[in-house]
Amino acid sequence: DTAVSQTPKYLVTQMGNDKSIKCEQNLGHDTMYWYKQDSKKFLKIMFSYNNKELIINETVPNRFSPKSPDKAHLNLHINSLELGDSAVYFCASSQWGANLDEKLFFGSGTQLSVL
Amino acid sequence: KNEVEQSPQNLTAQEGEFITINCSYSVGISALHWLQQHPGGGIVSLFMLSSGKKKHGRLIATINIQEKHSSLHITASHPRDSAVYICAVYPNTGNQFYFGTGTSLTVIP
Repeated sequence: DTAVSQTPKYLVTQMGNDKSIKCEQNLGHDTMYWYKQDSKKFLKIMFSYNNKELIINETVPNRFSPKSPDKAHLNLHINSLELGDSAVYFCASSQWGANLDEKLFFGSGTQLSVL
Repeated sequence: KNEVEQSPQNLTAQEGEFITINCSYSVGISALHWLQQHPGGGIVSLFMLSSGKKKHGRLIATINIQEKHSSLHITASHPRDSAVYICAVYPNTGNQFYFGTGTSLTVIP
């Protein structure tokens, strides 16, 4: 069973469209994250949720809206897509605070291409 | 300036060589992770360290909390070790991970 499953793996869309990326974890973790990875492989935090509550909201355009219906799911909705949104987006989960001997688990990534 | 610095940025090695990747950070931390990202994208957590040393197969990770430094060693490197290795730290007073810029390793047969 996949620990953190993220769909779709590839997303190609036109500028101006609205799209969603889904993420689910079956590890029982309290905390979930969305990261954006740029072309130089640098991972940047976008959002973090703990038990369905928003903990971190970095400087991200408000076209990006995370939704956490329960602690096992954190979906990312993007409105009015722009060319600069093209990147790989990773969902991840961990136990709260990473204080336990717990690894950080990543989804397989969603490669978003905006044309 | 990034809170987490990695060196080298790029590394090419011959199969069988001993490899070291370094990570330095500027904040007090409660945990440090080493991640591996293969071509094609998936990211896997290799180690979580808060002190000392951990070993898993040919991989060894060490951390010196006083010096704010960690190293990832690969013994008897193999072409399948070719990947980007990323260091991530969880600060004592923070609520998010900070990531290094990654080290791209290529092991040539």
